[in-house]
Amino acid sequence: AQSVAQPEDQVNVAEGNPLTVKCTYSVSGNPYLFWYVQYPNRGLQFLLKYITGDNLVKGSYGFEAEFNKSQTSFHLKKPSALVSDSALYFCAVRRVMFSGGYNKLIFGAGTRLAVHP
Amino acid sequence: DTGVSQDPRHKITKRGQNVTFRCDPISEHNRLYWYRQTLGQGPEFLTYFQNEAQLEKSRLLSDRFSAERPKGSFSTLEIQRTEQGDSAMYLCASSSLYAGSTGELFFGEGSRLTVL
Repeated sequence: AQSVAQPEDQVNVAEGNPLTVKCTYSVSGNPYLFWYVQYPNRGLQFLLKYITGDNLVKGSYGFEAEFNKSQTSFHLKKPSALVSDSALYFCAVRRVMFSGGYNKLIFGAGTRLAVHP
Repeated sequence: DTGVSQDPRHKITKRGQNVTFRCDPISEHNRLYWYRQTLGQGPEFLTYFQNEAQLEKSRLLSDRFSAERPKGSFSTLEIQRTEQGDSAMYLCASSSLYAGSTGELFFGEGSRLTVL
């Protein structure tokens, strides 16, 4: 069964420093992987996705993620963190429902990113 | 605004009352999903519609929950006889045939339910 693990409940980083938010996955077949961000009392905003191709995926707001098949990881990264990046980040994996020909996303528990001035 | 919209954004109700949430997806999207998010957790899948057909219901959706999408456009999620354990953020998402082929979902702002 598809699943996603985010091993860190919270990541703290100083503004201007690089940040990494970790995600590992378990899927059968080729993984389709996603990162979403959630600000307080708001819905989820799409950041980026990996479907196929280059292992380094670039997304919104300067974020990127590195797909590593051998380590079954899809870590979110940013070279220089901003205080405004402080939010809740969710990793997700697509689960294909062949019986209905549709997809649904299975989410991790989330990692809270706190960027300090 | 052409995003997914949800109404109401916040609902406070007493235990035992019924509540209904509405979701208006992005207009050209034929796929609609409901998720539930409790504090400190990631979103959990509740149900999925393709046009007006409800194709999957999670075991999380007890008999007190019902969702509809009568004309394949907006959707409603009704909770009858609410319990305190129903307190959560209810998220609606939609996708098109093409984005849906890769799994990308577009989420609304959510409807936060508090059951007293």
